[in-house]
Amino acid sequence: DTGVSQDPRHKITKRGQNVTFRCDPISEHNRLYWYRQTLGQGPEFLTYFQNEAQLEKSRLLSDRFSAERPKGSFSTLEIQRTEQGDSAMYLCASSSRQGSTQYFGPGTRLTVL
Amino acid sequence: AQTVTQSQPEMSVQEAETVTLSCTYDTSESNYYLFWYKQPPSRQMILVIRQEAYKQQNATENRFSVNFQKAAKSFSLKISDSQLGDTAMYFCAFLYGGSQGNLIFGKGTKLSVKP
Repeated sequence: DTGVSQDPRHKITKRGQNVTFRCDPISEHNRLYWYRQTLGQGPEFLTYFQNEAQLEKSRLLSDRFSAERPKGSFSTLEIQRTEQGDSAMYLCASSSRQGSTQYFGPGTRLTVL
Repeated sequence: AQTVTQSQPEMSVQEAETVTLSCTYDTSESNYYLFWYKQPPSRQMILVIRQEAYKQQNATENRFSVNFQKAAKSFSLKISDSQLGDTAMYFCAFLYGGSQGNLIFGKGTKLSVKP
């Protein structure tokens, strides 16, 4: 297994458009996390899945954001009606159990023009 | 609420020397984990070292070691024999053991290793 992968690596979009990102976790990991990282800051938690169930969402996750993990494997994060403030790096991580180390993907850098 | 503070936005060190990055955290919990992650320029975040709060012994990983002071809520990272490849952003992170897995990160320290 080659680790957590994310697609696309870069996305440039115009304000108001919808975008979708994909994350493929390490295959044996049942926990998947999304974080957002803005320039000069550490990552901030967005949401968490255990298998296909979304168990926790941050206040940062506005109604324009939705995440899914339909079969407990890959996950998608969709942002509707993008705003310039959504420009950031979106990171995905996975882990095998509670308290275990989270392994991060390379991230998707979103630029909203 | 838990918080993580990294008070050194930037640091530099000469190759082969030793450098220590600081991290303090605030929590009322006793069951937690602490991590140092490294994020090289334009590359993904990787784990450097991990410490369980219940363990008194400081974690070590090759050239990387921590000084975990639980009472002082301090978790510093020491890098020995610094190498050019250690140039990166370093993030300290806290994980409450009773949570679903919400890592709380500091703002990071940008480390530059100079030849």
